Amino acid sequence: DQQVKQNSPSLSVQEGRISILNCDYTNSMFDYFLWYKKYPAEGPTFLISISSIKDKNEDGRFTVFLNKSAKHLSLHIVPSQPGDSAVYFCAAVDSGTYKYIFGTGTRLKVLA
Amino acid sequence: NAGVTQTPKFRILKIGQSMTLQCAQDMNHNYMYWYRQDPGMGLKLIYYSVGAGITDKGEVPNGYNVSRSTTEDFPLRLELAAPSQTSVYFCASSYRNQPQHFGDGTRLSIL
Repeated sequence: DQQVKQNSPSLSVQEGRISILNCDYTNSMFDYFLWYKKYPAEGPTFLISISSIKDKNEDGRFTVFLNKSAKHLSLHIVPSQPGDSAVYFCAAVDSGTYKYIFGTGTRLKVLA
Repeated sequence: NAGVTQTPKFRILKIGQSMTLQCAQDMNHNYMYWYRQDPGMGLKLIYYSVGAGITDKGEVPNGYNVSRSTTEDFPLRLELAAPSQTSVYFCASSYRNQPQHFGDGTRLSIL
């Protein structure tokens, strides 16, 4: 029973274009969401987060959108750069427990 | 600025052997976590701790033990290694309500 799903295992995008990574969740108790980026042989690195009281959060080229009614969040990267090529994980948190539930990841490849 | 340090980076064990995966953080975080990541899967929580002397089970605790005697250290113990425990193990730490910081992982193979 996967509470957090990333249905696209991989995504390829041309350099300079927009990358859109998607994540769906089932548990309405989740109230905090994060995106992590992972390079091979390294640990995940925090990228951006959003609280359930917001529907958008921006940090430079990265924007996360949250649609609570659809239980869906997305990460937009504009413009995409070759250095963005990595695996991206979304995570959902019930702040009453502080436990993260991770999706299975999406491998993004940005083509030069 | 070391952050979260995991040792060893790689290890091969025989079935039935035991070992301890070490994790240390220098950020004075009170929360610490152990995850495992299997191929094509997300990270699954094994155990976590909200402070020295306090630990609790995550999603997949069977076959593992932890202790937290200091704020800095959170070792993970495998008592009787089984092939199903072949995985990449990540340790993380955080302040309450802040994003977790991860170490670079320990790749463990059990043959």
